[in-house]
Amino acid sequence: GENVEQHPSTLSVQEGDSAVIKCTYSDSASNYFPWYKQELGKRPQLIIDIRSNVGEKKDQRIAVTLNKTAKHFSLHITETQPEDSAVYFCAASPGNYNQGGKLIFGQGTELSVKP
Amino acid sequence: SQTIHQWPATLVQPVGSPLSLECTVEGTSNPNLYWYRQAAGRGLQLLFYSVGIGQISSEVPQNLSASRPQDRQFILSSKKLLLSDSGFYLCAWNREKGPAFGSGTRLTVV
Repeated sequence: GENVEQHPSTLSVQEGDSAVIKCTYSDSASNYFPWYKQELGKRPQLIIDIRSNVGEKKDQRIAVTLNKTAKHFSLHITETQPEDSAVYFCAASPGNYNQGGKLIFGQGTELSVKP
Repeated sequence: SQTIHQWPATLVQPVGSPLSLECTVEGTSNPNLYWYRQAAGRGLQLLFYSVGIGQISSEVPQNLSASRPQDRQFILSSKKLLLSDSGFYLCAWNREKGPAFGSGTRLTVV
């Protein structure tokens, strides 16, 4: 089945720096890749997603890139702020997500942004 | 509007007691529904998913079961809880604009 590996497990950056989190997946048929942000004690919130027919997507300070050949995708956060501190999860959907696919998650990255 | 409801928010149960967690979705029909468990604040493990009434797929062998008696209702159950069942249980559904989670149930088995 699908396996998603996420690195690093912890990441500490200074406010204003960029942060990059990387994920690899195993199922070449996966076609949907969301990223979630989870603050302490709360539910994961979808922050950005990308489908396999595009290579990059941006939303203000957040961007995601996808390399289908290498089967990896990355989250990029620029101009980090203390409120970006949280645990971030990547996920991949084996098979066709639009037809009822499920999400397999990475193990999470704890991002700490120091003022 | 499309919303997902999950309850209770917290639960403390003794070992060997039964469990029933409920999730309902509003504002949509025939959603795909999922139960995830998160242990120790990291790692979301898919437990069950359902593409329709009475259709349940189990991802991992365990002490839990799931049922979908109605289109927008998904229930997670156990007949006898184990200590290892403690965790943060999250219901999710696949909205058009991306999968969304319920607010979760923090279960502590004592």
